Amino acid sequence: DTGVSQDPRHKITKRGQNVTFRCDPISEHNRLYWYRQTLGQGPEFLTYFQNEAQLEKSRLLSDRFSAERPKGSFSTLEIQRTEQGDSAMYLCASSFLSYRGQVPNYGYTFGSGTRLTVV
Amino acid sequence: QQPVQSPQAVILREGEDAVINCSSSKALYSVHWYRQKHGEAPVFLMILLKGGEQKGHEKISASFNEKKQQSSLYLTASQLSYSGTYFCGTARTGANNLFFGTGTRLTVIP
Repeated sequence: DTGVSQDPRHKITKRGQNVTFRCDPISEHNRLYWYRQTLGQGPEFLTYFQNEAQLEKSRLLSDRFSAERPKGSFSTLEIQRTEQGDSAMYLCASSFLSYRGQVPNYGYTFGSGTRLTVV
Repeated sequence: QQPVQSPQAVILREGEDAVINCSSSKALYSVHWYRQKHGEAPVFLMILLKGGEQKGHEKISASFNEKKQQSSLYLTASQLSYSGTYFCGTARTGANNLFFGTGTRLTVIP
């Protein structure tokens, strides 16, 4: 098991261009999350999948952002018409959901992230 | 929805202790703690589940008071390797994702 992989590690793009990031989670994990982190801040939730179903998407997330997880394996995050405010580290995490009684029990394994710079 | 962490930053000498607090305005299912070193991904430390349990990992332990919606991370006899930014992540009742605090930067000096 090689952990959570993200590609590319760095991406520099011009404002207005589209970008796509890929995440390969730990194979046994059934949940996959996308977060965004800017300097000095904690990770900000974007969206998550359980298997191939996208179960929740942040209300703060612009319609320019879309994510997919075909066949419940790897996931892609696409940003259309990038803006300078999109510059951030995009983190992917995976987890295996189990329950202790009625309470969900899981820990996230994060990938190393994709650093996006919009110029 | 973002939990509040305190302090924002702390500097310790090796061997000293520290406490990092995390508080939420919402009812919580669980609290996670992560450590992130500069330029690296956050690394999972521990999860505390509803029920007020306390967990420990070597010299790092944590508690969760679900009535007060607060958690504290305790670092005892700190080591240089403890340096980094610590984030709490809270899972609210009925939600399936974590909301992270703004972090506490911990620096351990010789």
